[in-house]
Amino acid sequence: GAGVSQSPSNKVTEKGKDVELRCDPISGHTALYWYRQSLGQGLEFLIYFQGNSAPDKSGLPSDRFSAERTGGSVSTLTIQRTQQEDSAVYLCASSSDGRDTEAFFGQGTRLTVV
Amino acid sequence: GENVEQHPSTLSVQEGDSAVIKCTYSDSASNYFPWYKQELGKRPQLIIDIRSNVGEKKDQRIAVTLNKTAKHFSLHITETQPEDSAVYFCAAGDSSASKIIFGSGTRLSIRP
Repeated sequence: GAGVSQSPSNKVTEKGKDVELRCDPISGHTALYWYRQSLGQGLEFLIYFQGNSAPDKSGLPSDRFSAERTGGSVSTLTIQRTQQEDSAVYLCASSSDGRDTEAFFGQGTRLTVV
Repeated sequence: GENVEQHPSTLSVQEGDSAVIKCTYSDSASNYFPWYKQELGKRPQLIIDIRSNVGEKKDQRIAVTLNKTAKHFSLHITETQPEDSAVYFCAAGDSSASKIIFGSGTRLSIRP
């Protein structure tokens, strides 16, 4: 596809379960971001991947959150032992170089922890 | 690293009037300043951007101004219409971290 693709689009999980969210960036984009957006709130930065550099994990809220980016393309955000406060929309974005070009967003994954 | 401040957090204007959203940034080496619009239930999308080699850029009813000396940039929407109602995010490139930093967003409401 031409855009950033995220899956699943919606996820309902029980408190305490682990979840994996997937992001397929635009082909060739070296930069990939994960954000969290609670209802009516702004974009909370989680993690940033740029090429082969070590990821910027400064936004991860706790050690229950982790992310990988395999082969410089697909990324997976994993939340372990989910809590109700993890409920939010998780947005992925990619750009061709990171700081000087447009970031394209996926449609997001709406996570609901019950 | 870069820090981006955005004001106001909410803004309500009468249809047909102008709306202005302001942002400041901290990294003097930043040279890319995009603005994103997020309609309800949708993903953020780029509406306009400006680079540090120009002071103003206009696209129909939308304009952005940049003051590098003062390290602030603004979004101006003229002749506002109901479809302009959305959350707007400014952003700036962080030269050291090589990534985009977003402001906290402005919820713009257009009153009929």
